[in-house]
Amino acid sequence: ETGVTQTPRHLVMGMTNKKSLKCEQHLGHNAMYWYKQSAKKPLELMFVYNFKEQTENNSVPSRFSPECPNSSHLFLHLHTLQPEDSALYLCASSQDPIVTGTDTQYFGPGTRLTVL
Amino acid sequence: SQKIEQNSEALNIQEGKTATLTCNYTNYSPAYLQWYRQDPGRGPVFLLLIRENEKEKRKERLKVTFDTTLKQSLFHITASQPADSATYLCALLMDSSYKLIFGSGTRLLVRP
Repeated sequence: ETGVTQTPRHLVMGMTNKKSLKCEQHLGHNAMYWYKQSAKKPLELMFVYNFKEQTENNSVPSRFSPECPNSSHLFLHLHTLQPEDSALYLCASSQDPIVTGTDTQYFGPGTRLTVL
Repeated sequence: SQKIEQNSEALNIQEGKTATLTCNYTNYSPAYLQWYRQDPGRGPVFLLLIRENEKEKRKERLKVTFDTTLKQSLFHITASQPADSATYLCALLMDSSYKLIFGSGTRLLVRP
């Protein structure tokens, strides 16, 4: 276990549904991330939160909406998704890279999302 | 444009041999490079970090080299075991953006 948990592990949803992914980290980190991983493609950074503030939005469509209520929790709200959004969604956390000079990331197990 | 390349073909080796994986990059000036291991259906797990001013880093059976002139990192697993079978990802961090950029990974298969 890396200290980062994600729920649910698997999710199947229709294009008109609304669902949320949850991530929790027990490492005392300040930064949290959402990544998308599609087959045969590199990890795509979606959002970065540092001390609860969003510092990066990597041109993600508005049908993905992140929320970070505190440094330990991160949500990804999903609505009106498309089949091409089917992928593994990974959450990660790290200490503040600007402070530590490194950015070793600790990943959760991911949520396997299928959009029908 | 900026690019990270890892061999997309799986590396298939015999147990006990040394596995060598390659990470090449173009148009980057990374502050450091990391290697992660990812098992099917799981998140990546951090293995090693090497900074731009370091040539080599070791950890148990793992060794990483970093050649900023060639813009290449090599990742070696000595005395490989079937349990080493996984996908290995390299990731670069740019000083300016403090954002990690990942390669697409190379799958390693170690035959018993």
